[in-house]
Amino acid sequence: AQSVTQPDIHITVSEGASLELRCNYSYGATPYLFWYVQSPGQGLQLLLKYFSGDTLVQGIKGFEAEFKRSQSSFNLRKPSVHWSDAAEYFCAVGQDSNYQLIWGAGTKLIIKP
Amino acid sequence: KAGVTQTPRYLIKTRGQQVTLSCSPISGHRSVSWYQQTPGQGLQFLFEYFSETQRNKGNFPGRFSGRQFSNSRSEMNVSTLELGDSALYLCASSFGDNPYEQYFGPGTRLTVT
Repeated sequence: AQSVTQPDIHITVSEGASLELRCNYSYGATPYLFWYVQSPGQGLQLLLKYFSGDTLVQGIKGFEAEFKRSQSSFNLRKPSVHWSDAAEYFCAVGQDSNYQLIWGAGTKLIIKP
Repeated sequence: KAGVTQTPRYLIKTRGQQVTLSCSPISGHRSVSWYQQTPGQGLQFLFEYFSETQRNKGNFPGRFSGRQFSNSRSEMNVSTLELGDSALYLCASSFGDNPYEQYFGPGTRLTVT
């Protein structure tokens, strides 16, 4: 069965430091790939998406992600984090067969002042 | 353009009661998906509606049901509430031709006592 793995449950980063959140998926074809962010008690906000083309995609709030087919990965990056980036981040993968997004378990980002 | 709206935002119910949650999608979006989010289970897919038809369904008991109206607004109903139904219920809408690119509402926080 298709699956999405976010290996880090929590990540702590100092404000101003760079960030990389990992996402790996198991899927035969090139899937649709997404990153969402959720602040406490809120809904999910779409950060960026990859459907095809350039494997480095830019999103909102200064985030970017790179699709690496050989590694089945879609890691999220930001060069310099701000305290307001503290939130939970979810990776999701779309599969063609049933219009359903498969979700990772999420990574909680903690920002140290 | 207005975002996805969900009503009510908070709800407290007693075991055995039933509840109806409402979701209004972004204008022009024809697909609505529902998710249950809990700390222990993460994001779990309930069902997806497109043009008033249930197109996809997750692995939830029959107590969970939904429907979509001709204006794409959707409701979900949970009958015979159990303590374990306490969760954040999220609604997401998409255009429908690409149901994976989903935009989320703020959620309804349901507490069952």
